[in-house]
Amino acid sequence: AQKITQTQPGMFVQEKEAVTLDCTYDTSDQSYGLFWYKQPSSGEMIFLIYQGSYDEQNATEGRYSLNFQKARKSANLVISASQLGDSAMYFCAMRAMDTGRRALTFGSGTRLQVQP
Amino acid sequence: DSGVTQTPKHLITATGQRVTLRCSPRSGDLSVYWYQQSLDQGLQFLIQYYNGEERAKGNILERFSAQQFPDLHSELNLSSLELGDSALYFCASSAGTGVQEQYFGPGTRLTVT
Repeated sequence: AQKITQTQPGMFVQEKEAVTLDCTYDTSDQSYGLFWYKQPSSGEMIFLIYQGSYDEQNATEGRYSLNFQKARKSANLVISASQLGDSAMYFCAMRAMDTGRRALTFGSGTRLQVQP
Repeated sequence: DSGVTQTPKHLITATGQRVTLRCSPRSGDLSVYWYQQSLDQGLQFLIQYYNGEERAKGNILERFSAQQFPDLHSELNLSSLELGDSALYFCASSAGTGVQEQYFGPGTRLTVT
């Protein structure tokens, strides 16, 4: 079974500052993927970034980077230079990569509010 | 815009009724997933189809069923609706190879009264 834990229900950050959203996971799979999604108030789920369990480098996508620490089973999302448009719910998710089980298991989410 | 479309955007119906939610995946994507997002349960996986065949089931109630058609669009049927079925229902799609990140549609917000 897979489990994702996001311990920060809400976070505040000042515009232009960096923020780290925490995510820890538990799985018995050897090969797995970790994903972050953004859900603005409009409701849609937007894919942000992916990290594979065997990837040696931390993933980066523009202002998003994933701080992957396999031994600690953590996959924190770092958003640099926060913008007002970054205010949203952020979900960490994972799935097995080498089986037919492609469904995502999601954490409970972190609500980020960017203040001017 | 993810390229995944879902209709309708909103649906209000009464307990005991049946509704059908529709999803069209991104062009070329063979896998379709259905998820339910509710305040008390969070985001939960319901069911996955790949190229017309059911691949995996999650916490899908027996009152719910789904199918994927030859043109790859999918429908989620919810019957004997209860108040607790009120939720945001997402469809997501992914390619058949590679990382297979899932792209989500805008969701259908179902309200059961």
